[in-house]
Amino acid sequence: GAGVSQSPSNKVTEKGKDVELRCDPISGHTALYWYRQSLGQGLEFLIYFQGNSAPDKSGLPSDRFSAERTGGSVSTLTIQRTQQEDSAVYLCASSQGTSGRPYNEQFFGPGTRLTVL
Amino acid sequence: AQSVSQHNHHVILSEAASLELGCNYSYGGTVNLFWYVQYPGQHLQLLLKYFSGDPLVKGIKGFEAEFIKSKFSFNLRKPSVQWSDTAEYFCAVREYSGGGADGLTFGKGTHLIIQP
Repeated sequence: GAGVSQSPSNKVTEKGKDVELRCDPISGHTALYWYRQSLGQGLEFLIYFQGNSAPDKSGLPSDRFSAERTGGSVSTLTIQRTQQEDSAVYLCASSQGTSGRPYNEQFFGPGTRLTVL
Repeated sequence: AQSVSQHNHHVILSEAASLELGCNYSYGGTVNLFWYVQYPGQHLQLLLKYFSGDPLVKGIKGFEAEFIKSKFSFNLRKPSVQWSDTAEYFCAVREYSGGGADGLTFGKGTHLIIQP
């Protein structure tokens, strides 16, 4: 597709369960980002990948959160033992990454709305 | 750590009114500044950005923003709003470290409603 896609669009889970969220970046984009949008908290940066490596994991809120990226393309964000405070919209973005330019625009996906009961 | 403050969480205006949304950031080094917009039911999209040079930047749909370094501000303006400008607006900052791929720090957003 032409844009960033994410799946599922909605996920309802029970407290304590593990969830996996998927992101397909724009083809050719080497950088991939995960953000969380919570009510009243705005958008929080979680992690970004350059290729398959994650130089900056500083935004992950706890060790229950992990992310991986394989083949320089698809990424999954995994939340283990979900808690109610994990309920949020999880956004993925991609960009062309480092190419000598000072900045490459991040293009956002539609997000996955996670509800933890 | 840097932070971004958006002063108004909800703004209601009539069509043709002028708009100014405030944004202040805390980082004292070199920054890149952005405004993103999220229309109802749509993805976040870039409205405009500032890297260097002319502190007055123009974006899509008649929006502009002015970077005032001494005030750590990057306010968004539009002389005459339209009903279609109803959306959530986010200010974002990137600490410029020399590379091209770093996470953005966002403000909490301003929900703008334009009444016909």
